[in-house]
Amino acid sequence: NAGVTQTPKFQVLKTGQSMTLQCAQDMNHNSMYWYRQDPGMGLRLIYYSASEGTTDKGEVPNGYNVSRLNKREFSLRLESAAPSQTSVYFCASSEVARTGYGEQYFGPGTRLTVT
Amino acid sequence: RKEVEQDPGPFNVPEGATVAFNCTYSNSASQSFFWYRQDCRKEPKLLMSVYSSGNEDGRFTAQLNRASQYISLLIRDSKLSDSATYLCVVPETMGFQKLVFGTGTRLLVSP
Repeated sequence: NAGVTQTPKFQVLKTGQSMTLQCAQDMNHNSMYWYRQDPGMGLRLIYYSASEGTTDKGEVPNGYNVSRLNKREFSLRLESAAPSQTSVYFCASSEVARTGYGEQYFGPGTRLTVT
Repeated sequence: RKEVEQDPGPFNVPEGATVAFNCTYSNSASQSFFWYRQDCRKEPKLLMSVYSSGNEDGRFTAQLNRASQYISLLIRDSKLSDSATYLCVVPETMGFQKLVFGTGTRLLVSP
């Protein structure tokens, strides 16, 4: 049981290049999320997928696209990378608890630098 | 006012000390709250959930003050391994259950 896995762990891009960050979970969770974390800013939600087949914008979606490939996988794509997208990217998944708020389990993160 | 505000610290305490962090939130409709722990260059992990007035788990106590809209985390008998950043998390109350994360409070426990 690996939990949430992310690839790659590190990436350096030049401005204008594109790339896809991969995320997979093996906990059979319905919901998946992509966050970015910057110093002094905390975790900010980029996109989320409440269930397979649906995706929605979060707080900072500009410059990103997502695909919920199946229940396990949720990818994040940068079409034309910019230095402002230098950040640590975390994928997370959760199941809805009886309270409506399930614990979110995070992957180990991808450290992206755009030069 | 930010949705979730925390003192960034760092809080420097010796082993065995008791330390408390506060977190204020702006959404008075929030019903549940979380504390996550994040070690340096690692992913956040759930530490405690708070659904009513408070919660206790070993050396950790979380308390909720709805009137003043703040949540506190108390750590007793601090260990070196408690050194980390503690994130206060408040769910949004409209629509899907998205979480709003505070920027975190850094704790350094020294020998």
